[in-house]
Amino acid sequence: EDQVTQSPEALRLQEGESSSLNCSYTVSGLRGLFWYRQDPGKGPEFLFTLYSAGEEKEKERLKATLTKKESFLHITAPKPEDSATYLCAVQAVGGNQFYFGTGTSLTVIP
Amino acid sequence: DGGITQSPKYLFRKEGQNVTLSCEQNLNHDAMYWYRQDPGQGLRLIYYSQIVNDFQKGDIAEGYSVSREKKESFPLTVTSAQKNPTAFYLCASHRGWGNEKLFFGSGTQLSVL
Repeated sequence: EDQVTQSPEALRLQEGESSSLNCSYTVSGLRGLFWYRQDPGKGPEFLFTLYSAGEEKEKERLKATLTKKESFLHITAPKPEDSATYLCAVQAVGGNQFYFGTGTSLTVIP
Repeated sequence: DGGITQSPKYLFRKEGQNVTLSCEQNLNHDAMYWYRQDPGQGLRLIYYSQIVNDFQKGDIAEGYSVSREKKESFPLTVTSAQKNPTAFYLCASHRGWGNEKLFFGSGTQLSVL
């Protein structure tokens, strides 16, 4: 069964304190792994797509990496405006369904 | 600008009432999806449609119905059979093939009066 697990559920960081969010997945064949950011009361905003193990993508203070079993979202020197829920999703080969994790709620304290 | 429009932003349902959530996209995408989001439970798939006049049940379809009469539109009806409808509802679209991302609307918060 295709499954996505994110950890931790919640993370509080001081401004400037770097950390990583984890997304572990089980899928028959990976077509793509997606990271989204979601602010309260809004729709998810796309961040990254990763397709194969070893791939990395960066955007400002965020860097996403992928292995055969998990993905990490590294946050370097976070700012309060990075506070949000970060969602991970996978798409399996041969299908158009997307499987979402429960998200990590990040709070960055000034 | 292309995107997905959900309306209304907030919706209130009385006991025994059916309500319909609107979702329109101008991205020319073939596939459209409805997700329900409850605190701490992530996104759960209600229904999805890969082509006009065709749709499939997701993991939590009971108490919901959809239609796909036009490529641009995928309305969701929350029926009186859905006993716990209070949630944040998200509509999404995808071009229908390949490994591109899902595009999301801004969501509808449904509450029970």
